[in-house]
Amino acid sequence: EDQVTQSPEALRLQEGESSSLNCSYTVSGLRGLFWYRQDPGKGPEFLFTLYSAGEEKEKERLKATLTKKESFLHITAPKPEDSATYLCAVQYGSNSGYALNFGKGTSLLVTP
Amino acid sequence: DGGITQSPKYLFRKEGQNVTLSCEQNLNHDAMYWYRQDPGQGLRLIYYSQIVNDFQKGDIAEGYSVSREKKESFPLTVTSAQKNPTAFYLCASSKGRYTEAFFGQGTRLTVV
Repeated sequence: EDQVTQSPEALRLQEGESSSLNCSYTVSGLRGLFWYRQDPGKGPEFLFTLYSAGEEKEKERLKATLTKKESFLHITAPKPEDSATYLCAVQYGSNSGYALNFGKGTSLLVTP
Repeated sequence: DGGITQSPKYLFRKEGQNVTLSCEQNLNHDAMYWYRQDPGQGLRLIYYSQIVNDFQKGDIAEGYSVSREKKESFPLTVTSAQKNPTAFYLCASSKGRYTEAFFGQGTRLTVV
C-alpha cells in the first residue's frame, strides 16, 4: 500500500488557469512533508518543507498547504515554464533514518 | 558553488558487468542517499548513510552496494546481480533529521 499518493497523475492547464495538486499520506508521526519540482532528465529541485497542520509556504505562483492527512500545491496563474513533474515526499517516525518517502508525482503541462 | 555532483550523466553497461556511479557533495551534509527512478514510479530508496563509515539498506538494496569512506562521497555500485538495472539514479544529501534533501542531476544507466 502506497504511503504517499499524488493526484492527479497528469494535469493540463491553459496559461493563467489556476489549479491545485494533491498529496495524501497515510503515515503516522509525520515529521515533515516536502515538495519538489522535477524537469525531464534532471534531479528534483526542492520547493517547500511543511512541518505541521495549518502551515503554509509560498514562492512566486506556488503555495503549499498542509492538513493532518494531505497537502495541496496551489498554482496561481501558471505559465508554460511551470510545466514539470511535481513530487511530494514525507518523512515520518523513525523510517529509514532521514530518508524521504516519495509519491509518484503529478505531471503538469501548461499551454500558452 | 555548493552542490551535489553525479557522474557520469549517461552510462552504458554490458550484461554481467559491475559499474560504479559517483556522487560527491560539498554541502557538508552528514546524510546521503541513493534513489532509483523508473517511468511511472516514484523515487525508491536503495541505500542511505547517516554518517561516515555507516550505511543502511533501503527498500530495494538487492544487487547494489555502497561505501562511505569520506563525508563528501557516497559511490553506488550496480552489480551483475541486479536483474533490471536500467534506470535513472539519483543521489541526494541532507543536513540530517527532518530537513530537506538536495539532489544531484542524476545518472542514466542503460544495460546493452
